[in-house]
This record gives sequence, C-alpha cells and structure tokens, in this order.
Amino acid sequence: ETGVTQTPRHLVMGMTNKKSLKCEQHLGHNAMYWYKQSAKKPLELMFVYNFKEQTENNSVPSRFSPECPNSSHLFLHLHTLQPEDSALYLCASSQADRQNSPLHFGNGTRLTVT
Amino acid sequence: AQTVTQSQPEMSVQEAETVTLSCTYDTSESDYYLFWYKQPPSRQMILVIRQEAYKQQNATENRFSVNFQKAAKSFSLKISDSQLGDAAMYFCAYRFLSSGSARQLTFGSGTQLTVLP
Repeated sequence: ETGVTQTPRHLVMGMTNKKSLKCEQHLGHNAMYWYKQSAKKPLELMFVYNFKEQTENNSVPSRFSPECPNSSHLFLHLHTLQPEDSALYLCASSQADRQNSPLHFGNGTRLTVT
Repeated sequence: AQTVTQSQPEMSVQEAETVTLSCTYDTSESDYYLFWYKQPPSRQMILVIRQEAYKQQNATENRFSVNFQKAAKSFSLKISDSQLGDAAMYFCAYRFLSSGSARQLTFGSGTQLTVLP
C-alpha cells in the first residue's frame, strides 16, 4: 500500500482516443499534483490542486484536462494526444499547509500514444 | 527561476562501498527545502532524505547523508555501505517556501545508480 494509488498502470491509446488516468490518495492530504516524466528529462510539473482548487497549470496543452472532485481523487483526462505525449505520468500528494511536508508519489501510469 | 542540476547521468558502486551523488541548484531564495528521491524499477518515487536550508547541520538517515553547502548551492548525497536494493534512479529536488499553500518541487534530471555485487 503506497498511500497514493494510480490506475491504470499501463495505457496504450491512439491519437483519436479519449482516456482518463486516475489517482487516489489515502493519506489525508489536501494538495495533489500531476507530473510528467519523460526519458532523460527532469520531472515536469503539469497541474497542482490545493484544497480541490487548481492553483497551477504549467502551460500544459488543452488536450490534457485535469479534474479534482475531492481532496482524495485526481483525474487526468486525455484526448487527441500526440506521440510525444508518451511518458510516465506521476501523481503525488502532500499536506499543503505544512512547510516541510514532502510529496508522496504513486507508481505512475506508463502512457504510450500510437 | 530555480534550476536543479545533476551532472552525473550514471554512477556505479561496488556493494558495501560508499558513493556520492552530486547536485547543484540555482536560486535567489534564502529559505527553501532540498530533497533526494529514489525511483526504483517499481517507478514509485520514494523520499530518501530532506534538508532545510536554514539548518547548518547536514541531514542523516541511516546509511544516507548529505553534504549541504549553502554558499556553493551544492547538495550531494552520500550512500554508505551500498546495498543491491539501493540501485535506482536518484533525483535531487528543490522547493522554495512560497506564500501559496501548495508548494512545488523542481527536480533534476536524475542519476542512475548501479550497485555491483
């Protein structure tokens, strides 16, 4: 039990498909994050949700659409993706009002766009 | 903007030996946190150790310790008595103390550590 659970673990989709990534945290945290991890590149922050409100969108294309229905769940809706979007997508959570709270990560979803 | 640089894409160490992974960062902030995360083949990012910038004493967690040089903006990780289970990708990360309540991490590009039996 990692505390942060991501599904699916692997996803292969075509460029015209619509799919969603799911993240659930069982740690009682109030902030959740989506990161993109591409080979040989630093992790890229995509979105931040703080108390269910989106507080950060790091110039992410609109083909990625996040949703945070409550502080325990985070989704990333995908549509009309490009092959360069293939990557590992990591979800994380933290206690936003504690300065030294580290991020807790899930195991990621390995996405392949064909 | 803050940047984190890990200049060693790959490192290897003999089992039971000591290895040091390098990390430098660039920031104009005076208060911040630094972290080392480990990512094994399971893909989950696991916190290894953290350091508050206002603390002069280097953080230590069992076989893991850091050498924090604030003036040089350097934050290296030392792994003593290396074990096979230490093999992983290691990421250095920086977080500034923003006025917002959700704080972001800036990551380096990682160092792949191989432990040789």
